[in-house]
Amino acid sequence: EVQLLESGGGLVQPGGSLRLSCAASGFTFGSYGMSWVRQAPGKGLEWVSGISGYGDSTYYAGSVKGRFTISRDNSKNTLFLQMNSLRAEDTAVYYCAKGIIPNVWGQGTLVTVSS
Amino acid sequence: QAVVTQEPSLTVSPGGTVTLTCGSSTGAVTSGHYPYWFQQQPGQAPRTLIYDTSNRHSWTPARFSGSLLGGKAALTLSGAQPEDEAEYYCLLSYSGGWVFGGGTKLTVL
Repeated sequence: EVQLLESGGGLVQPGGSLRLSCAASGFTFGSYGMSWVRQAPGKGLEWVSGISGYGDSTYYAGSVKGRFTISRDNSKNTLFLQMNSLRAEDTAVYYCAKGIIPNVWGQGTLVTVSS
Repeated sequence: QAVVTQEPSLTVSPGGTVTLTCGSSTGAVTSGHYPYWFQQQPGQAPRTLIYDTSNRHSWTPARFSGSLLGGKAALTLSGAQPEDEAEYYCLLSYSGGWVFGGGTKLTVL
């Protein structure tokens, strides 16, 4: 069974940084692209970033390009999202998903950007 | 960036049929947009129902089907059940990235 467990969310001040992790199990992690999708409170879904199976191709939404960095450690079956220069509008639940376009979703981790 | 449009809300009677649509500001939606459909129950993570226009996952009930209809992607629910009441999102692929629609709140009443 595919399982995705996000961690690393929390409260951070505007301009601060946070690193999200997603521990994957139940599939051959390095064979699949992965992605992050976020959902602001009471709002819809926003695709944030994706990465190829080997990690050699990365993709970003315009709203986070230059501030967020996606990466992966295939030896540890873990996906990361480094978030810098955080803004209030980055406040959201961040979901990790199997596939550059999500096929299986984690339960999400809440990131709150506030002073 | 392209804008993906969905009906804000729809209502269907139990056992009835309803079609949700997904349009693109750039023109007709085609199979080259690889339309996806997602369901999100209140307070839960989304789950993927349909990929690449019309393919169901193993967990997707057969009453859900995907297609292209009148220049849009479409999700048809045939024989609605109370548990189908949820928010539904589509996603389209563009050369510049991937964009979700704003979602359709489906009420089964």
